[in-house]
Amino acid sequence: KQEVTQIPAALSVPEGENLVLNCSFTDSAIYNLQWFRQDPGKGLTSLLLIQSSQREQTSGRLNASLDKSSGRSTLYIAASQPGDSATYLCAVEGSQGNLIFGKGTKLSVKP
Amino acid sequence: DTAVSQTPKYLVTQMGNDKSIKCEQNLGHDTMYWYKQDSKKFLKIMFSYNNKELIINETVPNRFSPKSPDKAHLNLHINSLELGDSAVYFCASSQRRPESDTQYFGPGTRLTVL
Repeated sequence: KQEVTQIPAALSVPEGENLVLNCSFTDSAIYNLQWFRQDPGKGLTSLLLIQSSQREQTSGRLNASLDKSSGRSTLYIAASQPGDSATYLCAVEGSQGNLIFGKGTKLSVKP
Repeated sequence: DTAVSQTPKYLVTQMGNDKSIKCEQNLGHDTMYWYKQDSKKFLKIMFSYNNKELIINETVPNRFSPKSPDKAHLNLHINSLELGDSAVYFCASSQRRPESDTQYFGPGTRLTVL
């Protein structure tokens, strides 16, 4: 059974710092891996999707990597801003399209 | 234009009642989902429909019954509500063919059972 773990559970950094969020999964047979952002009381916003054949994806200050063989992904955020404060969720897609989520990393960027 | 919409946004009801949550997507996607986010913020799949056909039915009590009248709609009906059903329910949609694309989530429906 696929399990997704995110470390750390919470992270507080000063503005401007570069940071890395970690995600690991137990079964390497995934279709893709997705990173989402969730603001308090809101839905999920997709940040990046990495297909199983890809190694990384970039969007603006965000870069996500995928190492299927070791069951790991990282989300790199450059030059963090207070507006980046949110919970970041990692999810892997199974064979039937369902996403299996980690418990998230709650990020706080202090001005 | 709202991509994935849910109604209502908030639902407060008594134990034992029956309630429905509606979901609509205007993205032309072929697959729709219901997820439950519990009090610890953990998100878990409940159901998945592809072109109106049920694909995934996780270990959800049969008090929960999804209904997909067409590709753009996936409604969730809950019978005999229990305290433990209190959670935020998210609808999502995606295009799975020819290659899985990202899932788009609705804003969520916060259900409180008293």
